[in-house]
Amino acid sequence: EAQVTQNPRYLITVTGKKLTVTCSQNMNHEYMSWYRQDPGLGLRQIYYSMNVEVTDKGDVPEGYKVSRKEKRNFPLILESPSPNQTSLYFCASSQALPGGSGELFFGEGSRLTVL
Amino acid sequence: SQQGEEDPQALSIQEGENATMNCSYKTSINNLQWYRQNSGRGLVHLILIRSNEREKHSGRLRVTLDTSKKSSSLLITASRAADTASYFCATDGKGSQGNLIFGKGTKLSVKP
Repeated sequence: EAQVTQNPRYLITVTGKKLTVTCSQNMNHEYMSWYRQDPGLGLRQIYYSMNVEVTDKGDVPEGYKVSRKEKRNFPLILESPSPNQTSLYFCASSQALPGGSGELFFGEGSRLTVL
Repeated sequence: SQQGEEDPQALSIQEGENATMNCSYKTSINNLQWYRQNSGRGLVHLILIRSNEREKHSGRLRVTLDTSKKSSSLLITASRAADTASYFCATDGKGSQGNLIFGKGTKLSVKP
């Protein structure tokens, strides 16, 4: 079954404690992206990757890091989480198309609370 | 930067009625997509319309695109209670290397 898998789905942590949210896709997609969703603000892009070893900042990259060492994995790293990073996070992937983006497949989300 | 903006922010209708949601964007695009999100769940792709297309259908969904006005609309016909969800448009700006930017969404409530 084609899917994007995020872990953990729920996490409560404390300020400053490094954490990683993993994302894995089994569709051999080139493009992967991280979004955060906050009430009233919609989905905002954090980072995206067009392929292995190619990553770019989205609209709200501050406080986050990513890596793309393998095609299937795109982990999101919070080196020193702060309460304003409390949010619902989504990972997504798609096949890159010659004329633009393809259909995005989303994970089920990771709800993060930073105390 | 926010590219697409949906309108209205919220819409409440009765089952059987049609629901129309609009999306406006700012820069030239390669394509525009619509997604649906049930509360707290991952988004699900509904339909993609390319910049050289004007209208597209998928089941009870009809999407139009007017590039001169930089706007799109999503029409759901004969709505059902199960259509209750948030709907987002996403645009892929020309020169953006395939980067999709989402709007804030329209929250649709269909009452049985």
